[in-house]
Amino acid sequence: NAGVTQTPKFQVLKTGQSMTLQCAQDMNHEYMSWYRQDPGMGLRLIHYSVGAGITDQGEVPNGYNVSRSTTEDFPLRLLSAAPSQTSVYFCASSTRTVNTEAFFGQGTRLTVV
Amino acid sequence: DAKTTQPNSMESNEEEPVHLPCNHSTISGTDYIHWYRQLPSQGPEYVIHGLTSNVNNRMASLAIAEDRKSSTLILHRATLRDAAVYYCIRRDSNYQLIWGAGTKLIIKP
Repeated sequence: NAGVTQTPKFQVLKTGQSMTLQCAQDMNHEYMSWYRQDPGMGLRLIHYSVGAGITDQGEVPNGYNVSRSTTEDFPLRLLSAAPSQTSVYFCASSTRTVNTEAFFGQGTRLTVV
Repeated sequence: DAKTTQPNSMESNEEEPVHLPCNHSTISGTDYIHWYRQLPSQGPEYVIHGLTSNVNNRMASLAIAEDRKSSTLILHRATLRDAAVYYCIRRDSNYQLIWGAGTKLIIKP
């Protein structure tokens, strides 16, 4: 049972480059979300999705795009990387109920130089 | 959305109980209280959640105040493997997890 899988684990980008962080889950969860975590802080929501074809913005969406064409996959795109986007990114999934646990990937550590 | 507030850090001795407090004075009636923990260089891991009643599972207990403005996560017998950052989180009716800064738990052998 793989759970939530994020790739890559580490990435270095130059300012202005674009890239896609991949997230896949095998639990048939409707709800998926992306967070960023800066040093010494809690997680901040970037974008989320309550099902295939439906996405919405979280607390810090600027500079990021998402799409949800399948239940399993929820990629996060950085359009034009900036040093302020240096962070650790986590993907999570859960059922669409508030009284169940969310499952997190192991994270992608992104550095923008 | 008001975030929860927790102590920045706490220390405890190994094999003793640990009580981690959390304030959520503006929580709405339908928000669940969730606790997650994060070990170094890992993703967050679910610990426990509740709405109004106290809850127990194999990892911990959650005591929720009657007015729901605060809660306490209880680790009954802390081990060195419990050293982590513990997050008290609101989960709102839109399924979103609202994170605070967490409490860094240090376990002394």
